[in-house]
Amino acid sequence: NAGVTQTPKFQVLKTGQSMTLQCAQDMNHNSMYWYRQDPGMGLRLIYYSASEGTTDKGEVPNGYNVSRLNKREFSLRLESAAPSQTSVYFCAIQAHEQFFGPGTRLTVL
Amino acid sequence: EDQVTQSPEALRLQEGESSSLNCSYTVSGLRGLFWYRQDPGKGPEFLFTLYSAGEEKEKERLKATLTKKESFLHITAPKPEDSATYLCAVRGNTGGFKTIFGAGTRLFVKA
Repeated sequence: NAGVTQTPKFQVLKTGQSMTLQCAQDMNHNSMYWYRQDPGMGLRLIYYSASEGTTDKGEVPNGYNVSRLNKREFSLRLESAAPSQTSVYFCAIQAHEQFFGPGTRLTVL
Repeated sequence: EDQVTQSPEALRLQEGESSSLNCSYTVSGLRGLFWYRQDPGKGPEFLFTLYSAGEEKEKERLKATLTKKESFLHITAPKPEDSATYLCAVRGNTGGFKTIFGAGTRLFVKA
């Protein structure tokens, strides 16, 4: 039982490149979330999916897109990366409390 | 708008020196106040949920309490392994499935 897994763990991009961050869960929960965490700013919600087939914007959605592929998987895509997207990205699922993945550390040069 | 403010930003303690972390919040209809622990390079790990003023929960050296405006995380006789960032978060009636996080308190416990 892995809980919440994220790939990749680390990534370096050049400005303008695209990439997809992958998240998968084996806890059979409906709600899945993408956050970014920056020093001094806490966790900020990018997008979430309350159930399979639905997605909604969070606090900081600009520059990102998401896909809820099925109940297990929720991906985050950066179409044209910018240095301001350098951050640590966490995927989470929610029962009542949230369970987080290990994070993806992204640097955009 | 739901908001969470944590203080202090950082706290340095000697081993055995008890203290408290503060979480001030504003929320429309509290559905839950959450405490998480985050170690460097890892995702947050759930500690407690509190639902109503007056409620308390304990786990080892940690005790969380809740009033209508604040929550405290009391750390009794801390050990170096308690060093981490502690995050407070709230979910309210108007936020739907959203949880609002504070910026966290970084705790350093020196042996």
